[in-house]
Amino acid sequence: GAVVSQHPSRVICKSGTSVKIECRSLDFQATTMFWYRQFPKQSLMLMATSNEGSKATYEQGVEKDKFLINHASLTLSTLTVTSAHPEDSSFYICSAREAGGLYEQYFGPGTRLTVT
Amino acid sequence: QQQVKQSPQSLIVQKGGIPIINCAYENTAFDYFPWYQQFPGKGPALLIAIRPDVSEKKEGRFTISFNKSAKQFSLHIMDSQPGDSATYFCAAGDSWGKLQFGAGTQVVVTP
Repeated sequence: GAVVSQHPSRVICKSGTSVKIECRSLDFQATTMFWYRQFPKQSLMLMATSNEGSKATYEQGVEKDKFLINHASLTLSTLTVTSAHPEDSSFYICSAREAGGLYEQYFGPGTRLTVT
Repeated sequence: QQQVKQSPQSLIVQKGGIPIINCAYENTAFDYFPWYQQFPGKGPALLIAIRPDVSEKKEGRFTISFNKSAKQFSLHIMDSQPGDSATYFCAAGDSWGKLQFGAGTQVVVTP
């Protein structure tokens, strides 16, 4: 149980285009999802917290107009990287917290974004 | 500013050895301390987690030791195997459920 999927697993896009990444909880309902970014050989950095039915909360330094987050249902959150640039190339990972859960987060397999 | 300091950056042990990874935190609001294992190109997977009211927790070959007064916690991997070679991250969570990750430790277990 507690499986989180991400789609796509890899995406290559051209500079200036937008890319949407989906995060789904497959066998549980997630009231809260988190989006992380990880550069090669570095740690996970929390970008934003996404609560179902409300606006996402962004961490300091994360541009909310560039990284659009939507959590429209209890099993789906999306991250859209708008007007992507090469410096946005990274590994994006989502996690989900089960409805009623307090601490435990279940992580997705990640999405590798390359902007050319 | 790294809210959770993790060391060492990397370590190599022989099969059967016990890699030990240490983490320290400053913020006393943290009350959940998980460890994650990550293989290249994959998302992190939860190994074991501890709350501050417990000083030690064991799950299989993984043990967390927690020192609340020192604000430190560590992961021991007993009887390590080559398949344990991965990057390990400690993290600290607050009541909002947000996690702050350590920098990671690359563990290599040689046959």
